[in-house]
Amino acid sequence: SQTIHQWPATLVQPVGSPLSLECTVEGTSNPNLYWYRQAAGRGLQLLFYSVGIGQISSEVPQNLSASRPQDRQFILSSKKLLLSDSGFYLCAWKPYPSDTQYFGPGTRLTVL
Amino acid sequence: GENVEQHPSTLSVQEGDSAVIKCTYSDSASNYFPWYKQELGKRPQLIIDIRSNVGEKKDQRIAVTLNKTAKHFSLHITETQPEDSAVYFCAARGAGGYQKVTFGIGTKLQVIP
Repeated sequence: SQTIHQWPATLVQPVGSPLSLECTVEGTSNPNLYWYRQAAGRGLQLLFYSVGIGQISSEVPQNLSASRPQDRQFILSSKKLLLSDSGFYLCAWKPYPSDTQYFGPGTRLTVL
Repeated sequence: GENVEQHPSTLSVQEGDSAVIKCTYSDSASNYFPWYKQELGKRPQLIIDIRSNVGEKKDQRIAVTLNKTAKHFSLHITETQPEDSAVYFCAARGAGGYQKVTFGIGTKLQVIP
């Protein structure tokens, strides 16, 4: 069966520090992958999506970046975190040819 | 791009009553409309979806209706229970090459026992 993992589950980082969040999907190949951010009490903001290895599209210009070094691995990074980067980061995947996106368990990031 | 508006932002109902959440979308080419339920601190989970070639879909106490002409779709929950309390998100997926999904702002539903 297909599963999606994210780590870490929670993270507290100081302003200006780097960030690396990882997402992996098991049991499928060539999925579409997505990074969303959810600020406290807010909706889902799409940050990045990828339809294949090395292919990344950005939805919102900011100090975050994403990479897809392997088919089922998606990484969200930052060189210097801002207070406004705090939130719940959700990775999602969509198998082909399904219509549905499935979310990972999320990483709760607090920037102090 | 696609714009999805969702209302109300909060909704309180008595247990056993019905709840209705409404969404509108802007892109007439959108062809897939999922609804997600997010419990506090957890990931959003798909509860029901509908495609543009269908006007209504039902799954036990949950139903979704779609009016393509008016570009709006609604979630109906009947016989609400306390465990229905959560945030509900509607979404619309465009028909373009990437098929981006755009989410509504969410509705916080509280079912009062």
